[in-house]
Amino acid sequence: EAGVTQFPSHSVIEKGQTVTLRCDPISGHDNLYWYRRVMGKEIKFLLHFVKESKQDESGMPNNRFLAERTGGTYSTLKVQPAELEDSGVYFCASSQAAAGDHFGGDEQYFGPGTRLTVT
Amino acid sequence: LAKTTQPISMDSYEGQEVNITCSHNNIATNDYITWYQQFPSQGPRFIIQGYKTKVTNEVASLFIPADRKSSTLSLPRVSLSDTAVYYCLVVDYGQNFVFGPGTRLSVLP
Repeated sequence: EAGVTQFPSHSVIEKGQTVTLRCDPISGHDNLYWYRRVMGKEIKFLLHFVKESKQDESGMPNNRFLAERTGGTYSTLKVQPAELEDSGVYFCASSQAAAGDHFGGDEQYFGPGTRLTVT
Repeated sequence: LAKTTQPISMDSYEGQEVNITCSHNNIATNDYITWYQQFPSQGPRFIIQGYKTKVTNEVASLFIPADRKSSTLSLPRVSLSDTAVYYCLVVDYGQNFVFGPGTRLSVLP
């Protein structure tokens, strides 16, 4: 079974440019999550999709970030315009089970991450 | 927002049991506690998950006290390949997934 894949693995862009990160979840997984870790900080939740619907995007830092999941398959995370503080590693994860009475009860499979450097 | 704390680092020797505790003071009553392992240049990998009391699988045990404000990951007889960063993950009242800061475990020969 193929795991979660992310593209690109690394991206170096200049401040003010636009970057789009892509995540391909495990086939059949309805849940898709985006996280990021900026240098020296903790892994932070960004948002959660169930199929194509955004369930919770409370972690999105500001309106420069736009996540989409058209058709409920792969997802993209666009940063426009990028700022220096956006540098970090962006992880995507997917899971199969929908949240039931107990939240967080699904095993999330993480991709290797995209390392974004904004100069 | 839930705040989680973990020891920054731990050292152990091969064959020893390692216990890593995560404190999560604002976990909702219905939410699971999950632990992940991460190697350099890889994404976190699921280890174990629990809701209350004790859970055991083939690689670890998870102890959760009745008040659920902390959890302890127990790794029996660690080997050099267990050197990694270990994170707890909880869901706070707002359904926001919160990672702990991570514990860097170094297993020495």
